[in-house]
Amino acid sequence: LAKTTQPISMDSYEGQEVNITCSHNNIATNDYITWYQQFPSQGPRFIIQGYKTKVTNEVASLFIPADRKSSTLSLPRVSLSDTAVYYCLVGDMWRSSYKLIFGSGTRLLVRP
Amino acid sequence: DSGVTQTPKHLITATGQRVTLRCSPRSGDLSVYWYQQSLDQGLQFLIQYYNGEERAKGNILERFSAQQFPDLHSELNLSSLELGDSALYFCASSAEDRGAQHFGDGTRLSIL
Repeated sequence: LAKTTQPISMDSYEGQEVNITCSHNNIATNDYITWYQQFPSQGPRFIIQGYKTKVTNEVASLFIPADRKSSTLSLPRVSLSDTAVYYCLVGDMWRSSYKLIFGSGTRLLVRP
Repeated sequence: DSGVTQTPKHLITATGQRVTLRCSPRSGDLSVYWYQQSLDQGLQFLIQYYNGEERAKGNILERFSAQQFPDLHSELNLSSLELGDSALYFCASSAEDRGAQHFGDGTRLSIL
């Protein structure tokens, strides 16, 4: 069964680049890797999704190595409003049974 | 605003009772997902429907059931409630099967 592992917390300062890595050792072959941001008392908010190599949108980049057993979310020049919990989400295929698995979340604190 | 509507926002009930949580997906989205978020378990995938059919199943208890109706809204039924069922329940929807998910703001269930 897939286990997704993320650092529990990270600290950064405004204007810095932040990289958060998720390890997913049994990701389903044909599934995407997706990252979400969550603020207190709100639902997770979609950030970025990718299958392999590198994906970039207006808010983040996602780096996925060839073996797809990990992924790195990169947030360029963070601001105070980026303080939140970040989750990776992957699909796991175990004995022909598919399920979605969220990482345990990384609490990012951005300081002035 | 994600476009996903969950009702009610809050629900307080007693052990042994049964409740129904409702989710209206974003316009045009065919897939609906249900998640449970508690402090000690994080975000746990419960079940996914795609265009009315069950698509994937997570660690959903036998006391819980869900369905997606022809108009694509979904309901999550929780019965024989226990104190440990107290949690935030999120619904998400996506246009494609296993595509980028957009989350509602959740239903906070409190069991007294």
